[in-house]
Amino acid sequence: AQSVTQLGSHVSVSEGALVLLRCNYSSSVPPYLFWYVQYPNQGLQLLLKYTSAATLVKGINGFEAEFKKSETSFHLTKPSAHMSDAAEYFCAVSSYSARQLTFGSGTQLTVLP
Amino acid sequence: DAGVIQSPRHEVTEMGQEVTLRCKPISGHDYLFWYRQTMMRGLELLIYFNNNVPIDDSGMPEDRFSAKMPNASFSTLKIQPSEPRDSAVYFCASSRLGQGVGEQYFGPGTRLTVT
Repeated sequence: AQSVTQLGSHVSVSEGALVLLRCNYSSSVPPYLFWYVQYPNQGLQLLLKYTSAATLVKGINGFEAEFKKSETSFHLTKPSAHMSDAAEYFCAVSSYSARQLTFGSGTQLTVLP
Repeated sequence: DAGVIQSPRHEVTEMGQEVTLRCKPISGHDYLFWYRQTMMRGLELLIYFNNNVPIDDSGMPEDRFSAKMPNASFSTLKIQPSEPRDSAVYFCASSRLGQGVGEQYFGPGTRLTVT
């Protein structure tokens, strides 16, 4: 079985500050890990993915995430927050043999002016 | 490409009525997923299809829910009879086998309100 835990359902940062959204996973097989973003009243959009290649993954809009097997973590970061980053972020896990994703509970990011 | 198309975007219905949600996946995609999103339960996978065949429907909450995919370009999720606890946003997503695991493209969702 696979699962992800997102620490912090709400995170607030000031514009220009570092964004750090936490995700820990559990998987009995090598995991594929993803971050998706959901803007208000929209569907989810893929930000970035880890599929066993480079452990530091760069995504769209300046976001990146680092896969740390020893810590079973896949935290999402962005050096400088922008107002347009305000959204809900979901971490998800899958595996090579599975097609479905298992999502975390989401983290709502608020960017303060 | 137009992306995943869902209709209607909003649906308000009374308890006991039948509700049908529709989805058109991206052309060429061979996987289709139905999700439900609520504040209480988050994002849940209900069912997914591969080449129009249901593969895993273990997330379908009960017999009142049914899903079909009569062809590669159309799928429906039906609730009969509907209940207030079915109120949620329902998402459809599609992906292609050669695209990579987990790269799903989501539609804008259907917000269902059952009164």
